[in-house]
Amino acid sequence: DTEVTQTPKHLVMGMTNKKSLKCEQHMGHRAMYWYKQKAKKPPELMFVYSYEKLSINESVPSRFSPECPNSSLLNLHLHALQPEDSALYLCASSQARAGANQPQHFGDGTRLSIL
Amino acid sequence: DAKTTQPNSMESNEEEPVHLPCNHSTISGTDYIHWYRQLPSQGPEYVIHGLTSNVNNRMASLAIAEDRKSSTLILHRATLRDAAVYYCILRRLHQGGSEKLVFGKGTKLTVNP
Repeated sequence: DTEVTQTPKHLVMGMTNKKSLKCEQHMGHRAMYWYKQKAKKPPELMFVYSYEKLSINESVPSRFSPECPNSSLLNLHLHALQPEDSALYLCASSQARAGANQPQHFGDGTRLSIL
Repeated sequence: DAKTTQPNSMESNEEEPVHLPCNHSTISGTDYIHWYRQLPSQGPEYVIHGLTSNVNNRMASLAIAEDRKSSTLILHRATLRDAAVYYCILRRLHQGGSEKLVFGKGTKLTVNP
């Protein structure tokens, strides 16, 4: 069982829908990450939050809107997505001490399909 | 972003050692070498990391070349549960303590019984 919990596990939505992906961890980690993974490809970093502040945005389209309401929760709000956005969305967390070299802990992802 | 190069696939027999190579010729002095693996239908799982010296943990060993332009992940006795995609990654620390992992394309390891 993973220590990073992502819900829902599967999501099917139309291009005009608004939905949210949720990620939760209780390891006391203060850095949280969103990745996108297309089939048979490696994960690609989308966003990084450090101490609840957005620290990295990898030029992700605005139809993806991240939110970190507290140190345990990370959301990804979705609106007006395109079929090419269908992918596995992975959340990860790690300790965020400067100079630390701690591993990232990944959830098992939300598999998103856009109709 | 710093890139890594790995073979697309490798095959091993159960109970035998496996050496997974990775080239990272553009590595900078502060980049750590990380390895993660991803089993089917799961998120990536941390395996091991190192900077300059060889490293051992309960899962694997990491051998790093003296010039740091390449490394090898060693699984001492492969089991069927080790069948996964193995990613070699250069990890860069970002301001505020967060970090950036840039995944290479990975090596799909098949373990034969």
